[in-house]
Amino acid sequence: KAGVTQTPRYLIKTRGQQVTLSCSPISGHRSVSWYQQTPGQGLQFLFEYFSETQRNKGNFPGRFSGRQFSNSRSEMNVSTLELGDSALYLCASSFSILYEQYFGPGTRLTVT
Amino acid sequence: GESVGLHLPTLSVQEGDNSIINCAYSNSASDYFIWYKQESGKGPQFIIDIRSNMDKRQGQRVTVLLNKTVKHLSLQIAATQPGDSAVYFCAEGGNTGTASKLTFGTGTRLQVTL
Repeated sequence: KAGVTQTPRYLIKTRGQQVTLSCSPISGHRSVSWYQQTPGQGLQFLFEYFSETQRNKGNFPGRFSGRQFSNSRSEMNVSTLELGDSALYLCASSFSILYEQYFGPGTRLTVT
Repeated sequence: GESVGLHLPTLSVQEGDNSIINCAYSNSASDYFIWYKQESGKGPQFIIDIRSNMDKRQGQRVTVLLNKTVKHLSLQIAATQPGDSAVYFCAEGGNTGTASKLTFGTGTRLQVTL
């Protein structure tokens, strides 16, 4: 069974731009969560989607948004990029909110 | 590779020895806990999880112990191998019975020496 896939793997953007990251969950998984990982703050929860509905949200500004499609694929968007948004963005999927999450390899975003 | 933390606590263990990685959690109402392993340049890899109605759970070469009284979690790795070298994170779920919205610890770097 294929794992969680994320595209693109690497991205370089300029301050003020916006970016969209994509995540394809493991087949059959309906819950998708997003996390931001930085050396300073570690792994922090962004949001979680289940059956196209956002169920949980972390403490991030409104510039961070996401959505989930009917096939469970998910995208997250960051608008008006800041230097501090440089991070590894990780997507995780699970069968449901009651089961363990499996992570993808992440998208490395660099904001210059 | 990806740096997951510049000042992580490091545990050095000789190949073949047992490793014990400890984690303190903050929310006494948390009822789900999970351990992940992250190798350089990769996403976290699921190792084992445990719910608050248990105090011990065993997997292949790994055991997780949960002490709710002192809010402490540990991961024991038997017969540590060079491939076990990685950063290990504990994480806690909320108090809603779900495994989502994980709060991660800062991580511990495990170095296996030959």
